[in-house]
Order: sequence, then structure tokens, then C-alpha cells
Amino acid sequence: ILNVEQSPQSLHVQEGDSTNFTCSFPSSNFYALHWYRWETAKSPEALFVMTLNGDEKKKGRISATLNTKEGYSYLYIKGSQPEDSATYLCAFEGASQNFVFGPGTRLSVLP
Amino acid sequence: GAGVSQSPSNKVTEKGKDVELRCDPISGHTALYWYRQSLGQGLEFLIYFQGNSAPDKSGLPSDRFSAERTGGSVSTLTIQRTQQEDSAVYLCASSLRRGKDTQYFGPGTRLTVL
Repeated sequence: ILNVEQSPQSLHVQEGDSTNFTCSFPSSNFYALHWYRWETAKSPEALFVMTLNGDEKKKGRISATLNTKEGYSYLYIKGSQPEDSATYLCAFEGASQNFVFGPGTRLSVLP
Repeated sequence: GAGVSQSPSNKVTEKGKDVELRCDPISGHTALYWYRQSLGQGLEFLIYFQGNSAPDKSGLPSDRFSAERTGGSVSTLTIQRTQQEDSAVYLCASSLRRGKDTQYFGPGTRLTVL
């Protein structure tokens, strides 16, 4: 059974703080790693699709890195804002076309 | 230039009835994905289409669930003999190609089985 883990489960930070979360996934049979941002009562919003070991992606204040050999990805948010409050999901996509989501990290940014 | 659309937005049905959920992907997107979120649960992958074919159906929760996609566009997810545990928000997403491209999600269909 494929296991995708995310830590921490939840996080409270002050506005302006920088933060990061971890996604751990199987290092074998890798095809892509996806990061999503999911606000309550909205649909998930894709942040990044990462496919190559060593990949680094950036979108505004949010960036992500990927290590496929050891099976982890980090998501960083620089200078957190209240509107960054959401659940951040990662999903492992395997070469066998399976797709497994992590449980998410719930971020709350306090003004 | 619409995004992904889904219908109906809400569906209430009685246990044992069949339901059909529809997804209209973004025009030109070859990959289409179905997910669901049950109450208090995370996002669960159900099935993925590349064009009209679904290479792996093992994510479907039971044989009461089926999905098809025709003309490389619209997809329907059918649940036969609905059960209360089928109650969930069913989300559809599409992307240009499998894996390497951003997935765009529809607004979801909230299914309630009484």
C-alpha cells in the first residue's frame, strides 16, 4: 500500500513568518509530485507539478523542492499572509498511473 | 473560455437509486480525473482518463461505480444502487496531459444519499 505522509498536520504562524511543510512519498515508481492549495468550501488549486529530481518551482511567495531519490518534497511560504491560510496537499503520481494524496497540512496565518 | 464544469452542483438521492455525475473538462485537455472527498476525509483519487480510455480503474471504491468518457471530452461518473457511504463531494479535474501539467478542478458535485 502506497503511503504519502505530510508533516506537520497543522501549523499556526504569525503574519510575516516564513514556514515550510514536508511531503514524504515512495522513492520508487515515481512519475510526478503535485502540490495543491485547498481553501475551505473551494476546489483545490494546483500549485506545482514536479517531475525531476532536484526540481525547484516558485510561484510568488511559495516555492517547492523535490528529492525523488529519498522521497520527499518541501513547500515553503515566505512572509505568510492571512490569505495563505488553507490546507496544503501533496499527491504522489506513480508510473503505474496511481495517484495517492497525503492527508494535508492545515496552515493558519494569524494577523 | 470556461474552466471545468460539473453538474449537478448538488444531488440528493435515496438509497438504492442510480446517479450520474457529469464533468465537462477544459477544451483541449486530454487528461481527466475524478476524485471524492467524504465528510471528514481527505481527497481520494477515483479514476483517470487519458483521452477516452481509463488505464487503471482500481481506485473506484466498488463495482457499483463506473465512469466513461466520450469524444475525449465529457465524462460521466455513474454510481449504481447508491449507499449512504457514497455521500461525498465528487470533484473532477482536467489537464493538458497526464502528470506533467497543472490540473484544473471543477466546483464539485455534492452527493447526499438519504
